Amino acid sequence: SQKIEQNSEALNIQEGKTATLTCNCTNYSPAYLQWYRQDPGRGPVFLLLIRENEKEKRKERLKVTFDTTLKQSLFHITASQPADSATYLCAGGSQGNLIFGKGTKLSVKP
Amino acid sequence: DGGITQSPKYLFRKEGQNVTLSCEQNLNHDAMYWYRQDPGQGLRLIYYSQIVNDFQKGDIAEGYSVSREKKESFPLTVTSAQKNPTAFYLCASRTRQITDTQYFGPGTRLTVL
Repeated sequence: SQKIEQNSEALNIQEGKTATLTCNCTNYSPAYLQWYRQDPGRGPVFLLLIRENEKEKRKERLKVTFDTTLKQSLFHITASQPADSATYLCAGGSQGNLIFGKGTKLSVKP
Repeated sequence: DGGITQSPKYLFRKEGQNVTLSCEQNLNHDAMYWYRQDPGQGLRLIYYSQIVNDFQKGDIAEGYSVSREKKESFPLTVTSAQKNPTAFYLCASRTRQITDTQYFGPGTRLTVL
């Protein structure tokens, strides 16, 4: 079955370091990938979108890459801050509907 | 103040009772979605609607029902047939543009006692 897999359930890093989260597409070649941030007890909030013909997208301290050969997306947060602590969801889409991964819970320690 | 609202935030029901979760949006979005989220799990699609008076089953539609009589509203009914209804329910909407992002409501946490 088609899956979006985020292999790390949790990631702990020190403030100021770069956080790198991984998203793999299994039996699935989405036309685009989206990344969302979710805080506890709240709905996800959209961060970035990358299409299959794009290598990299940036927004402030965020960067996302998409390797369509590996079917893998990497999501980077540079100069991480404790306020970046949250769960980050990867979602793949082709016709409007999205398939979500389980998310990676990022903890940034001061 | 545009957005998508869900009510109530917390909902408690006795086993065997049907319950309806509200979802309203004033973003003029055509498509609306219902997801279920369990601890440590990703979002699983229950139902979606691309246009008024039309909706489609998602991956886990059994035990749920929806209606889309108005563009702004997409209520979800959790029926007594749903075997494990306790979960966090999220409603989302988006425009017709296929790659457009989904905008999520704040969620409703349903607990069945």
